[in-house]
Amino acid sequence: DVVMTQSPLSLPVTLGQPASISCRSSQSLVHSNGNTYVNWFHQRPGQSPRRLIYKVSNRDSGVPDRFSGSGSGTDFTLKVSRVEAEDVGVYYCMQTTHWPFTFGPGTKVDVK
Amino acid sequence: QVQLVESGGGVVQPGGSLRLSCAASGFTVTNSAMQWVRQAPGKGLESVAYTEYEGSFMHYGESVEGRFTVSRDSSKNTLYLQMNGLRGDDTAVYYCAKGYTLDSWGQGTLVTVSS
Repeated sequence: DVVMTQSPLSLPVTLGQPASISCRSSQSLVHSNGNTYVNWFHQRPGQSPRRLIYKVSNRDSGVPDRFSGSGSGTDFTLKVSRVEAEDVGVYYCMQTTHWPFTFGPGTKVDVK
Repeated sequence: QVQLVESGGGVVQPGGSLRLSCAASGFTVTNSAMQWVRQAPGKGLESVAYTEYEGSFMHYGESVEGRFTVSRDSSKNTLYLQMNGLRGDDTAVYYCAKGYTLDSWGQGTLVTVSS
């Protein structure tokens, strides 16, 4: 199985400041069709996860443009240009290139 | 718009069975890849089952292989997860999600396996 690791696992942030989460996979996430299926989700306490980014860098409709995804191969990053209060919660990366699909352990973001 | 509503969770004894339902609206479940994802209390996310959009291929996580079965009912536009031989470590909130990259999620349904 592909192991997804995230760092940091806890990220205290200052509102208005940037934040970055790293996600690494144990093997290449390039699919045989040429796409790389790395997705990012945000989960607030008591809520379902919500997809933010799909296929590395495609932002979902309604997701603020302060969120961006990048990376290739085995190394991926989610960046928030200026953190707002509504951004607190847990962020998960997930690969859907190889079955079983696997999630990272999550990064908990809260305000300092 | 797309909506997914799970139901069927509850408390069940070890070795028991439950069938979860995921009622969809805004799209057709038989024309879409679908997944079941679970989250144990206070833990992370685990993909347990995936069905490709044509419905002919079902994939199961190792922890549920042979015990869980995914099916669809086109007349009700509903996805199901039949869970047999339930164990304590199956206790979790179960979400259904749409698509290969999980673009939409339901609110989840809690399954508790306990004697």
